[in-house]
Amino acid sequence: GENVEQHPSTLSVQEGDSAVIKCTYSDSASNYFPWYKQELGKRPQLIIDIRSNVGEKKDQRIAVTLNKTAKHFSLHITETQPEDSAVYFCAPATNTGFQKLVFGTGTRLLVSP
Amino acid sequence: SAVISQKPSRDICQRGTSLTIQCQVDSQVTMMFWYRQQPGQSLTLIATANQGSEATYESGFVIDKFPISRPNLTFSTLTVSNMSPEDSSIYLCSAQTPPSDTIYFGEGSWLTVV
Repeated sequence: GENVEQHPSTLSVQEGDSAVIKCTYSDSASNYFPWYKQELGKRPQLIIDIRSNVGEKKDQRIAVTLNKTAKHFSLHITETQPEDSAVYFCAPATNTGFQKLVFGTGTRLLVSP
Repeated sequence: SAVISQKPSRDICQRGTSLTIQCQVDSQVTMMFWYRQQPGQSLTLIATANQGSEATYESGFVIDKFPISRPNLTFSTLTVSNMSPEDSSIYLCSAQTPPSDTIYFGEGSWLTVV
């Protein structure tokens, strides 16, 4: 089955800095690459996703880059704000009619004012 | 986007009992899923809930312990049977929504078994 790892497991930055979280997966058939944000006690929320035919996608301060050859994709957050503090999960999937997400180990991001 | 409602949101259960969690989506979805999340941990897929047929379980999860129903395109239930303290966890329902196939999550059901 799919093996998904995230690095780092925790990340502390100052407000305004950039943050990068890397996700490594094992299944070369994966073709859908989302990132979820989960605040304490809340549901996971999709913040950005990318499909295998695209190398990069950006949405305001958030971007995702994909390297299918090396089987990893990364979340980039620029100009971090305290409200970005949360746990971030990558969840690559193979779309075979439906998408079965396999969640990574999670990265706890702390943005200090 | 889809709005996914779960109930109960939280419950304390006696060991040996069973509890059914309900999941309602406000629009028709292509597929529904059930996940488990231990506090402070990642999410683990329990099963895929197929409409009108038996759920598809992941390795380590069995129908006798986690029976699932999905009688229509917008509703599913997960039962946690014969609970033990090891079943204390957050159980999350999710749904894949057309046409983007984006997957949304319910707010979760936090079960504590005593």
